[in-house]
Order: sequence, then structure tokens, then C-alpha cells
Amino acid sequence: DVKVTQSSRYLVKRTGEKVFLECVQDMDHENMFWYRQDPGLGLRLIYFSYDVKMKEKGDIPEGYSVSREKKERFSLILESASTNQTSMYLCASSLPGTSNEKLFFGSGTQLSVL
Amino acid sequence: LAKTTQPISMDSYEGQEVNITCSHNNIATNDYITWYQQFPSQGPRFIIQGYKTKVTNEVASLFIPADRKSSTLSLPRVSLSDTAVYYCLVVNTNAGKSTFGDGTTLTVKP
Repeated sequence: DVKVTQSSRYLVKRTGEKVFLECVQDMDHENMFWYRQDPGLGLRLIYFSYDVKMKEKGDIPEGYSVSREKKERFSLILESASTNQTSMYLCASSLPGTSNEKLFFGSGTQLSVL
Repeated sequence: LAKTTQPISMDSYEGQEVNITCSHNNIATNDYITWYQQFPSQGPRFIIQGYKTKVTNEVASLFIPADRKSSTLSLPRVSLSDTAVYYCLVVNTNAGKSTFGDGTTLTVKP
């Protein structure tokens, strides 16, 4: 069965801390994505990556960066966490360029920044 | 990317068929229509995808008219466990990224 694993289910950090959210997929997918989900705002795309060392900004990249050193791993980095980054963070992966492209999501990381 | 519009919420009863319609007036030639289901505290899960006419799988059916400006997700004989948020997306497989709308919260009552 396909699997996207996010390293933490719940995370509590303090304002100004550097935060790493890790995501690993075991499907050999080229594409990986980071979304955040907030009540009333739905899922919003932060960053995505088409391949190792490749990254593209999504709709709300401000305050975030990403790292993709290996194909299976995509990390989201909050350089200096702020309270408005308290959110549910969802990682996803997909195979590119197919007529049946679909996203596989992890279970999410609920991040609280105090 | 084409914007989608779908009802914010819907109620149904167990055993009924539920149809959720999504409009996507600016859909492009290379776009596919995809639906996801999300339960609380979980990531969305792919349900079905189509380009035109009708697609059916073990979970749902997807109806897409000829102009492709809208689509309807049909869930046959819903149960309480179908209570979830359903998202309609227009996916451009060349762009490789998917933009989620607000989704429809379906509540199935006994």
C-alpha cells in the first residue's frame, strides 16, 4: 500500500524557533507538495517539488522554505516560527504527467506556535 | 488554474444517493476534474478523476457534461461513514500542481 509519512503528528514550538517538518514517501514519486490547512481557508499550497533539488513556490510561500535532497524526502522549514503559522500541515506526493494523476497525502502535522 | 465553486454544505440520510455539483467555468483543454474526500484529522483521499462524460469506480460516479464547465460527484446509498468534506479540483497535468477550493461538508444522518 502506498504511504506518505509525516514525522510528527503534533508539534508545539515557540515564536522565533526554527522548525523542520519532515515528509517521506515510499512510492518513488517525482512530485511532492506541502499544503497548510486552516479552518475556513481550505488547503493552500506552500511549496512543491518536481524532482530532487528542484522547488517551486506555491500560493503562500512567505515565511517558509523547503529542501529536497533525496527523492523520497521533502522537508518544510520555518526559519523563524510565528504564531500565524499555527496550522495543520499536509504533505503529498504524486506521479507527474499521467492522465490519472492523483495526490497521496500524509496524515498531517498539527503545529502550534506559542 | 481554473477556479472551482461548490456548495459549502449538504445534508443527507443513510441509504440516499448524494450528488455534489462543482462548477469550473474556466476549465482548459488539458485539465482533468478530480475529487477528494477528507475526514477530520486526516489528509484528503483521492476518490475519482475524469475528463469527460461518465466515470465510475467502486466508490462513486463522476458525470461531466460536454462543455465540461461543471461536474457532479454521485455517491450511491451513503452511510454515516461518508460524512466528510469533499473537494472538487481542476488539475492541469502539465502544471503538476493542484489547487483546492473550499470543499463541501457532507453530513449523513441516520
